[in-house]
Order: sequence, then structure tokens, then C-alpha cells
Amino acid sequence: DAKTTQPNSMESNEEEPVHLPCNHSTISGTDYIHWYRQLPSQGPEYVIHGLTSNVNNRMASLAIAEDRKSSTLILHRATLRDAAVYYCILRRSGSARQLTFGSGTQLTVLP
Amino acid sequence: KAGVTQTPRYLIKTRGQQVTLSCSPISGHRSVSWYQQTPGQGLQFLFEYFSETQRNKGNFPGRFSGRQFSNSRSEMNVSTLELGDSALYLCASSPVGDLGNTIYFGEGSWLTVV
Repeated sequence: DAKTTQPNSMESNEEEPVHLPCNHSTISGTDYIHWYRQLPSQGPEYVIHGLTSNVNNRMASLAIAEDRKSSTLILHRATLRDAAVYYCILRRSGSARQLTFGSGTQLTVLP
Repeated sequence: KAGVTQTPRYLIKTRGQQVTLSCSPISGHRSVSWYQQTPGQGLQFLFEYFSETQRNKGNFPGRFSGRQFSNSRSEMNVSTLELGDSALYLCASSPVGDLGNTIYFGEGSWLTVV
């Protein structure tokens, strides 16, 4: 099964950009890259997803390496409300709605 | 549009008892999946239902079971509760379609087994 590797924790200052990296060297051609985040005492929340091209939405941007072996979630201006655990997940072919969560990155935003 | 609704939000049970958790997916979503989250094991997939049929199952003992009704609502049941079953149980729903579809999670049901 394709696996992702993320740093355990990162810190950012409020109102500065944050780049959260994810490595997925065994990704297959049909795996989508999804990012979810989980705020304390809440269920995971969808952030963004992509396949090959960079993606932008109102929450974040997703930059995908040309070889697709890594990706970066970009929060353009971190706020205190962005403090959460961020999960980078590959949607596996054949198990379309089964998400395999790693340990994620705990993002701390400093005021 | 209402989100994924889980009930109850909090409950306490005694070892050996059983528990049933309920999930109402987003209207129009036919796929419902369940996850268990514990501090030690993180988020783990339990099972997924689509059109009242279990399509995928995670690595959990048979004490964990579920079902889906014709209106896509789902329940999961844990029998003979153990202390280690204390966890946040999350339900998620998604529309049918390709792998790019978003999965939406509920707030979860906090189960404490004493």
C-alpha cells in the first residue's frame, strides 16, 4: 500500500505562510493526494486534493512535484484557527473510500 | 446542507456491555464509512458500506459490526466492550464517483468504557 511520510510537528507564526511537506515515493499513477486536517475534539476536515497539477482553493494550495513523489500543502497566511493535525493521504485504487491515515503533522501557530 | 450527523456524541459504558452508534450521512451520499481514533493507534478504518452492503473492512475483531439502511443511514455496533474500545468513533460519508471525491466526517461519538 502506498504510504505517506510527514514531519511530526511544525511551527509557524501567525499571518505567515506555512509549507507542510509530504513524501509519497510509492504513489501509483491513479492515486489522488488528499489533505485533511483535524482540529482538537473534531472530526477530520477536508482541505484539498489533487492528482497531478497544482490546485488552489479558498483554504489552501497544493503543490505536487512533477514526479508525484512528494507534495506540499501551502497555507498562505496562517491563523490561530489553523492549528491542527494535518494528514496527507493517498486515495488507493480499489479502496476508493478507505482512507489510511498516518500520524500527520501537528501544526502550531504562534501569535 | 446538513453535514454528517452522529449520535450520541458522548457515552459511557461498562465492560462487557454492547453499544450502538448511529450516523446520518449527508443527503445524497450513499457511501458511509466508520473509523476509530485512539491516542495510541491514531485513526483506523473500520468498515465501509454502500447501498446496504459492506464493501471494505478494516482489521478489527468480529465484535465490531455495522449495517446500512435503505436511506443510507448507518449504525455500528460493538459487543462485549473492552477497556481498549474507548475511543472516538467517526463516521464519514461521500458521494459515489471517482477517487477525487471528498469524504466528509462527522464530529464523532466519544465512547468511554469503564
